[in-house]
Amino acid sequence: KQEVTQIPAALSVPEGENLVLNCSFTDSAIYNLQWFRQDPGKGLTSLLLIQSSQREQTSGRLNASLDKSSGRSTLYIAASQPGDSATYLCAVSSAGANSKLTFGKGITLSVRP
Amino acid sequence: DAGITQSPRHKVTETGTPVTLRCHQTENHRYMYWYRQDPGHGLRLIHYSYGVKDTDKGEVSDGYSVSRSKTEDFLLTLESATSSQTSVYFCAISESGTRSGANVLTFGAGSRLTVL
Repeated sequence: KQEVTQIPAALSVPEGENLVLNCSFTDSAIYNLQWFRQDPGKGLTSLLLIQSSQREQTSGRLNASLDKSSGRSTLYIAASQPGDSATYLCAVSSAGANSKLTFGKGITLSVRP
Repeated sequence: DAGITQSPRHKVTETGTPVTLRCHQTENHRYMYWYRQDPGHGLRLIHYSYGVKDTDKGEVSDGYSVSRSKTEDFLLTLESATSSQTSVYFCAISESGTRSGANVLTFGAGSRLTVL
């Protein structure tokens, strides 16, 4: 059974800092990995999707990498801003019988002005 | 949330009553999903649909049923609500299934259900 872990559960950084959010998964047989952002009381917004054949994806100040063999992904946020404060979740699509994503519990990021 | 609407957004009900949540999309996407989000558990898949009248169970489907009679609508029904079903329910849509390398999910804003 696929398990996705995100540690730490919460992170507080000063504005302007470059930061890395980690995601690990137990089964390397995946189709893709996605990073989502969730603001309080809102739904999830897809940030980046990395297919299993890819190593990284970039969008603006965000860069996500994928190392399937080690079961790890990182989300790099450059020059963090208070508006980046949110919960960041990763999810993997596993090569199993059921069509579903397995989500981590998320990292709540607070960027201090 | 553009293209996907959940209703109601908030509902308080009593144990034993039936509840139906509605997800409506204007994107004409084939795949639709219902998730629940709970503290300490993250998001868990309840049911999903891969076409009109085609549905399948997720990991926490007990106590829930779904129906999809039109591409744009996916209904989640709690036949007899229990306090353990108090949660925030999210609908999501995607053009392709999760086995595709490129299935990006779009989520609705969520429906907060409280069962007293």
